[in-house]
Amino acid sequence: QSVLTQPPSASGTPGQRVTISCSGSSSNIGSNYLYWYQQLPGTAPKLLIYRNNQRPSGVPDRFSGSKSGTSASLAISGLRSEDEADYYCAAWDDSLSGPVFGGGTKLTVL
Amino acid sequence: QVQLQESGPGLVKPSETLSLTCTVSGGSVSSGTYYWSWIRQPPGKGLEWIGYIYYSGSTNYNPSLKSRVTISVNMSKNQFSLKLSSVTAADTAVYYCARVIVGTAEIDPWGQGTLVTVSS
Repeated sequence: QSVLTQPPSASGTPGQRVTISCSGSSSNIGSNYLYWYQQLPGTAPKLLIYRNNQRPSGVPDRFSGSKSGTSASLAISGLRSEDEADYYCAAWDDSLSGPVFGGGTKLTVL
Repeated sequence: QVQLQESGPGLVKPSETLSLTCTVSGGSVSSGTYYWSWIRQPPGKGLEWIGYIYYSGSTNYNPSLKSRVTISVNMSKNQFSLKLSSVTAADTAVYYCARVIVGTAEIDPWGQGTLVTVSS
């Protein structure tokens, strides 16, 4: 049982816009930055969005993040086949004094 | 550019202790900006934070694993290590070492991960 809640799956066709949600509580998302990670098959997770809505160098602007209260979302516009991956949200949890993760969302590009 | 690399046995017997080492290159484990962390991912499942160590030697562990986990640091070798005792099949997972900015969930970079299987 993950601390943060994500839908297990999402899908879209090439060119579409998809969103993935992430919900938590006041001890994590509600009081700390939210991060998103992309995990391509057989590889380690990679930082995709940091501090709610910032993109590391090299991440296309098709990826965007937002946060409101104890929820957050990742939006992917202009969906491409190479976006097919697992996506995880994460936040610092003040009660645990450690990072907590969502259960992951498997994105399928139809 | 900081890189992390896990090393250790890929097969551990039930009830024994899993031991992994993470070697850091391009950066220093003595930096006060980061927690040096272990995260695992059972096959086909999500990510689970195991714990972290700070350069001062202070540690923090996931409560679900706390009684079995020890993380230590070796500054002279620029490495940090994980020991997980009394393992069972449920501990079979890909184990990642990673750098975490203090007080955040900004985890970057990650090691490539190493699969540890618990089986007799």
